[in-house]
Amino acid sequence: IAGITQAPTSQILAAGRRMTLRCTQDMRHNAMYWYRQDLGLGLRLIHYSNTAGTTGKGEVPDGYSVSRANTDDFPLTLASAVPSQTSVYFCASSDSYEGGELFFGEGSRLTVL
Amino acid sequence: GQNIDQPTEMTATEGAIVQINCTYQTSGFNGLFWYQQHAGEAPTFLSYNVLDGLEEKGRFSSFLSRSKGYSYLLLKELQMKDSASYLCAGLDSNYQLIWGAGTKLIIKP
Repeated sequence: IAGITQAPTSQILAAGRRMTLRCTQDMRHNAMYWYRQDLGLGLRLIHYSNTAGTTGKGEVPDGYSVSRANTDDFPLTLASAVPSQTSVYFCASSDSYEGGELFFGEGSRLTVL
Repeated sequence: GQNIDQPTEMTATEGAIVQINCTYQTSGFNGLFWYQQHAGEAPTFLSYNVLDGLEEKGRFSSFLSRSKGYSYLLLKELQMKDSASYLCAGLDSNYQLIWGAGTKLIIKP
């Protein structure tokens, strides 16, 4: 039973580099989300997808892009990383975008130097 | 604006009871969630309330008062493994989750 898998678990990246965080779920959930978590702040939504083929912007989308080509995969791309994007990134999914329990991946710790 | 307020940190003793409060202001309301997050790990679901009242699940209970914009998480018979952060999140009318910054609960022997 995998649930949601994120990769990489941890990464150190030079500023200006492009980076893709991978997220795969095997629960056939319709909705998927990317959050960032920073010390002292609540989880902040970066992008979301209510169903395969659709995406939307969350609270802090600048500098990030996503795609949802199929139900299972929801990669997050940083086109040109900046130090302020140093954070822990969580991918999550739920059966429906209309609420319901969120299932989280283990997180990807990204450091941009 | 939308906002979730909860205490930053609380300390309690093993075997005791602790109540973690959460107040919320959301544009519309479709429910209130509590998640547990151990240090270095992902959040995991604890409870969901959409109607007023108390929902009990083992040692954990969650309460909601929609008229007061208030919820609490009650943890009984505290164990050392309950040391974690507890995240309160409100679901607004657009089904967007608004997250609090979390309450770090420290359990002492």
